[in-house]
Amino acid sequence: GAVVSQHPSWVICKSGTSVKIECRSLDFQATTMFWYRQFPKQSLMLMATSNEGSKATYEQGVEKDKFLINHASLTLSTLTVTSAHPEDSSFYICSAGRLAGGTEQYFGPGTRLTVT
Amino acid sequence: GESVGLHLPTLSVQEGDNSIINCAYSNSASDYFIWYKQESGKGPQFIIDIRSNMDKRQGQRVTVLLNKTVKHLSLQIAATQPGDSAVYFCAETPGNKLVFGAGTILRVKS
Repeated sequence: GAVVSQHPSWVICKSGTSVKIECRSLDFQATTMFWYRQFPKQSLMLMATSNEGSKATYEQGVEKDKFLINHASLTLSTLTVTSAHPEDSSFYICSAGRLAGGTEQYFGPGTRLTVT
Repeated sequence: GESVGLHLPTLSVQEGDNSIINCAYSNSASDYFIWYKQESGKGPQFIIDIRSNMDKRQGQRVTVLLNKTVKHLSLQIAATQPGDSAVYFCAETPGNKLVFGAGTILRVKS
């Protein structure tokens, strides 16, 4: 149990376009979902925390107007990278928390975004 | 987010040997710690966790040690196998979110 999926697994887009990444908890309801970004040979950095039905909480330095997060249901959160630029190219990973407080997090397989 | 390491250290071990991967954490308020394994192009995979009221926890072939005095975690892998080759991250929980450490690349030589 506790499977998290992401779609797409990889995407290539042109500079200036927007890209949406989906994160789904397949066999449990996720009260909280987290979005991370990982550059090559680096660690995961938390971008934002989203709770179902409320606005996401962004980490310092993450532009909320550029990285739009929607958590419309207990099984789906989306991250939209707006007006993407080459420096946004990265590995985006979501996780879902089953318990309130987010201590247990189950990670998705990640989405590789390449902006040309 | 918090900034962590730019270049991952590498640990090379011979197949069958034991591996010890170390991690320093930063927040004294963290009360829960997790080790993750990440293979290339994949998301992190849970290995083992430990709460701050413990100093050692064992799983199958893995042991986590916690030293709160010096804010240090270690992951011991017994009889390391080629399939253990990956990047290993520790994570701490100051509050309700995870903060990842810099990571260590484990390479297993056959």
